[in-house]
Amino acid sequence: KAGVTQTPRYLIKTRGQQVTLSCSPISGHRSVSWYQQTPGQGLQFLFEYFSETQRNKGNFPGRFSGRQFSNSRSEMNVSTLELGDSALYLCASSYGPVGEKLFFGSGTQLSVL
Amino acid sequence: AQSVTQPDIHITVSEGASLELRCNYSYGATPYLFWYVQSPGQGLQLLLKYFSGDTLVQGIKGFEAEFKRSQSSFNLRKPSVHWSDAAEYFCAVGAEYGNKLVFGAGTILRVKS
Repeated sequence: KAGVTQTPRYLIKTRGQQVTLSCSPISGHRSVSWYQQTPGQGLQFLFEYFSETQRNKGNFPGRFSGRQFSNSRSEMNVSTLELGDSALYLCASSYGPVGEKLFFGSGTQLSVL
Repeated sequence: AQSVTQPDIHITVSEGASLELRCNYSYGATPYLFWYVQSPGQGLQLLLKYFSGDTLVQGIKGFEAEFKRSQSSFNLRKPSVHWSDAAEYFCAVGAEYGNKLVFGAGTILRVKS
């Protein structure tokens, strides 16, 4: 079974631009979560989607948004990029609705210049 | 709200020595508890999960963790460390709804030969 696939692996953008990151979950998994990882703040939860519905949202500004498609693939979008958005963005998928094991992708390393 | 504390930022052990990584959590009900490991530039790999039942949980790669409700702890142990265990280890607690995880700051393990 293929793992969680995130594309692209690396991304370089400039301030003010927007970016879209993609995540393909493990086949059959219905939940997709996104996390931001930085050296200063560690791993922070962005949001979770389950069957195309956003169920949980972390404490991030509205510039961060996401969606999930009917095939469970998910995208997250960051608009008006700031230098502080430079981070490793990790996607995780899981099968069920509560307390499930999360399976993580390798992440997208975003650098904002 | 849930929180996780990993008191040790760095730990260095000799190859073959035993290992214990500490984790304390804050959560009102019976928590979902996890340990993940991350190699540089990679995603997170699940080592083990606890929700209920036997308080000693066995995981992959020879790791185990013990849940102690009275101490709000979930420490990770390994009897004999291998050089390939060098990585960053994260303890996490699951939310009361959905699959959101709150992570600790992580412990970087160095293994000396």
